Amino acid sequence: GAGVSQSPSNKVTEKGKDVELRCDPISGHTALYWYRQSLGQGLEFLIYFQGNSAPDKSGLPSDRFSAERTGGSVSTLTIQRTQQEDSAVYLCASSLTGTSSWDTQYFGPGTRLTVL
Amino acid sequence: KQEVTQIPAALSVPEGENLVLNCSFTDSAIYNLQWFRQDPGKGLTSLLLIQSSQREQTSGRLNASLDKSSGRSTLYIAASQPGDSATYLCAVHNAGNMLTFGGGTRLMVKP
Repeated sequence: GAGVSQSPSNKVTEKGKDVELRCDPISGHTALYWYRQSLGQGLEFLIYFQGNSAPDKSGLPSDRFSAERTGGSVSTLTIQRTQQEDSAVYLCASSLTGTSSWDTQYFGPGTRLTVL
Repeated sequence: KQEVTQIPAALSVPEGENLVLNCSFTDSAIYNLQWFRQDPGKGLTSLLLIQSSQREQTSGRLNASLDKSSGRSTLYIAASQPGDSATYLCAVHNAGNMLTFGGGTRLMVKP
């Protein structure tokens, strides 16, 4: 079946512009995660959605970052007033439950964001 | 706060060798531990998941072990092949529901 998909695959933007990154999780997965992978920082958690519960936003680096998940499926990560330090690969993952010890997270191919 | 460390950071071996990648974590209160593979410019591919109650998992030439009490996991790759060249990431699933990743081990298998 289809895996996690993300769009766009690459995004180049100018400092100060807003960007939106999209994630389509695997159908039926209730949990959705956003991570960021940047040089020198490795892979770091940003935000987690589980069903209809309030999202865990504890990993968002600043209030310029926000995310929503509509209808329990597609998610959009928005970065306002982008800065050069926002340049990274943004990875989305989904899992069946998010709360079980056997729960495997499946990752999308990522969106490479470059802020000039 | 959970911290995950992977050693070595990079490894180069000739084809056919057996090898071990190491992962250590500071907080043993985990749900599970996953090993991932990442090819350059690509996303992550899940290789093995070990639940907190398990000691090891095997898939083909890969074997992952977990010693939760000591905060350690190893990924054993048997009879390595050039196609195994990639970055291998260890990630721990905590009660906060996110994964905490190690820095990865870059593996090069030379023909």
